[in-house]
Amino acid sequence: EIVMTQSPATLSVSPGERATLSCRASQSVSSNLAWYQQKPGQAPRLLIYGASTRATGIPARFSGSGSGTEFTLTISSLQSEDFAVYYCQQYNNWPPGGFTFGPGTKVDIK
Amino acid sequence: QVQLVQSGAEVKKPGASVKVSCKASGYTFTGYYMHWVRQAPGQGLEWMGWINPNSGGTNYAQKFQGRVTMTRDTSISTAYMELSRLRSDDTAVYYCARAGITIFGVVIPTGDYWGQGTLVTVSS
Repeated sequence: EIVMTQSPATLSVSPGERATLSCRASQSVSSNLAWYQQKPGQAPRLLIYGASTRATGIPARFSGSGSGTEFTLTISSLQSEDFAVYYCQQYNNWPPGGFTFGPGTKVDIK
Repeated sequence: QVQLVQSGAEVKKPGASVKVSCKASGYTFTGYYMHWVRQAPGQGLEWMGWINPNSGGTNYAQKFQGRVTMTRDTSISTAYMELSRLRSDDTAVYYCARAGITIFGVVIPTGDYWGQGTLVTVSS
């Protein structure tokens, strides 16, 4: 099974600042990586797929990069609504699966 | 608009089974795979498996093999996830999520729309 790790576990950022989140896979997943945002009490929201393609309706301040085993989600200028937990997910063995998520990075207000 | 509406919260005893439903609307139900993902209280996301609503084909995470069954009823555009032999550590919010992105006919199996979640509590 491909194991995903994320760092840091918590990132404290001031509004307007840049946030950089990291995700690492235990083996290459090519560009088969997605990022999700989850706010308390809500379902996850897809931000990025294919490592760098923004999902429909996602603001341009969110960008994804990387391939292989190292990936980054960058939020260029944090807005109040961006404080949340962010998960990466690999889907390299599709089809048929399985898919594994990272443990998440919480972005909170500094 | 695409909507996935899940059934309500459940409380079950250890050893029992639970069946969660996910009713789809706003799109062709049989056109997109459906994932099931769970989240224990205060924990991260855990993928459980998917169902192809068109064929009924399924793929389950190894952890849940033998305990989970995913089905669908195309006549009412509803997917189901049944988990048996429940344990206390199955207490979680269970989500359905549509794998709705296709690029040149290739399915990108990421969840573009999610249900609101169903809390399943397992307690004696």
